[in-house]
Amino acid sequence: GENVEQHPSTLSVQEGDSAVIKCTYSDSASNYFPWYKQELGKRPQLIIDIRSNVGEKKDQRIAVTLNKTAKHFSLHITETQPEDSAVYFCAASPPPNFGNEKLTFGTGTRLTIIP
Amino acid sequence: SQTIHQWPATLVQPVGSPLSLECTVEGTSNPNLYWYRQAAGRGLQLLFYSVGIGQISSEVPQNLSASRPQDRQFILSSKKLLLSDSGFYLCAWSVRIAAIFNYGYTFGSGTRLTVV
Repeated sequence: GENVEQHPSTLSVQEGDSAVIKCTYSDSASNYFPWYKQELGKRPQLIIDIRSNVGEKKDQRIAVTLNKTAKHFSLHITETQPEDSAVYFCAASPPPNFGNEKLTFGTGTRLTIIP
Repeated sequence: SQTIHQWPATLVQPVGSPLSLECTVEGTSNPNLYWYRQAAGRGLQLLFYSVGIGQISSEVPQNLSASRPQDRQFILSSKKLLLSDSGFYLCAWSVRIAAIFNYGYTFGSGTRLTVV
C-alpha cells in the first residue's frame, strides 16, 4: 500500500518569512495529493490539493508543487502570519478502485510562527 | 450544501464500558465514510472506511467495530473500552463518483474520548 513520509516534524519561522513542508510517497499510481491544516483541538481542514495532471497550484499565500518523477510534493506558505500556526498534514491517494478509496496521511508538521 | 455531524463532542467512559459514536452526513448521497483516531499530539490513524451500506473495511485490528446501517450514517462501537482507546475520534466523508481521482475528505468536529 501507499506510504507517505513528511518532513520536518516541527518548523518554526519568523512572521513574514516563508515555510516549506515536504512529503514523499511510495505508490507511483497515486494521483491526488491534498494538504490539511489542523488547529489545536480542531478538526483537520482541507487547504489545498493537487492532482497529478498539474505540477503546481497556488491559492493566495499557499502553493503546492508536485514532482511525479521523484514522487514528492511540497507545501509552500509565503508571508507567514501568526494564524498559520497549526499542524499540517499531507496525504496521497491512488485512483479510486477496489479498496483504494482512501487517503494515506503523513505524520504531520507542527508549524509555529514567531511574531 | 453538505454537512457532517458527529456526536458527542466529549465523552468520559470507564474501562470496560461500551462505546457508540455516531456520524451522519447531509446533503449528499452514497458518500465514502471514514473513522479516524488521533492520539494526543499524534497523526491520523485510519480505523474503518465504508463505500456503501453494510460495506466496512477495517484497517487496524482492535476491539473497535464499525457499522453503516444507512447510506449517510456511520457508527463506531466497542463492547469493552480499554485505556488505550482514549483519543480524538474523527469521522469524515468524501464524494464517491466514478472518476480517476479520489477526493478530499471533510472531517466532522470530532469526539474527544477519555477512558478512565
